[in-house]
Amino acid sequence: NAGVTQTPKFQVLKTGQSMTLQCAQDMNHNSMYWYRQDPGMGLRLIYYSASEGTTDKGEVPNGYNVSRLNKREFSLRLESAAPSQTSVYFCASSERATIPLHFGNGTRLTVT
Amino acid sequence: RKEVEQDPGPFNVPEGATVAFNCTYSNSASQSFFWYRQDCRKEPKLLMSVYSSGNEDGRFTAQLNRASQYISLLIRDSKLSDSATYLCVVTPSNDYKLSFGAGTTVTVRA
Repeated sequence: NAGVTQTPKFQVLKTGQSMTLQCAQDMNHNSMYWYRQDPGMGLRLIYYSASEGTTDKGEVPNGYNVSRLNKREFSLRLESAAPSQTSVYFCASSERATIPLHFGNGTRLTVT
Repeated sequence: RKEVEQDPGPFNVPEGATVAFNCTYSNSASQSFFWYRQDCRKEPKLLMSVYSSGNEDGRFTAQLNRASQYISLLIRDSKLSDSATYLCVVTPSNDYKLSFGAGTTVTVRA
């Protein structure tokens, strides 16, 4: 059982480049999330999808877009990467709100 | 003020010792509380939920103090494998926007 799978694991971008982070879960969860984690700060919610067909902004959505492609997949897109987006990105899923989250392995993104 | 605050530590303790630390939250409407464990450069994993009456899971005990708005985690008989960062997570009921603390680092030495 793979759980939550994120790709890629590592990525280096130049300022202004775009990329999409992929996330898929095989637990039939309704809700999916994208977080970023920076040193000295808690995980911050970028976007979430409460259920298939819906997406909502979290705490730090600027510079990002998301797509809930189907129940399994939730992608995060950086249209024009900036150094401030250097971070570790985690995708997560849960059966519903407040139910504990299951996290993917993370994507380490560096923007130069 | 941050919604969730934790002492970053590190708490350096010998094997077999007891270590405890707190997490304070600012939103009095918070209803759900969790402790997650995060190993270096890995994803967070659920350690335990925190219930109003307090709860225990093996060597781990979690407490909730609603009056003072904090939760606590106590680890008894520390093992080397308990070395990790412990994240406090708080959320209002039925809210997708969980608030994470920055974490408390615990290092258990032989």
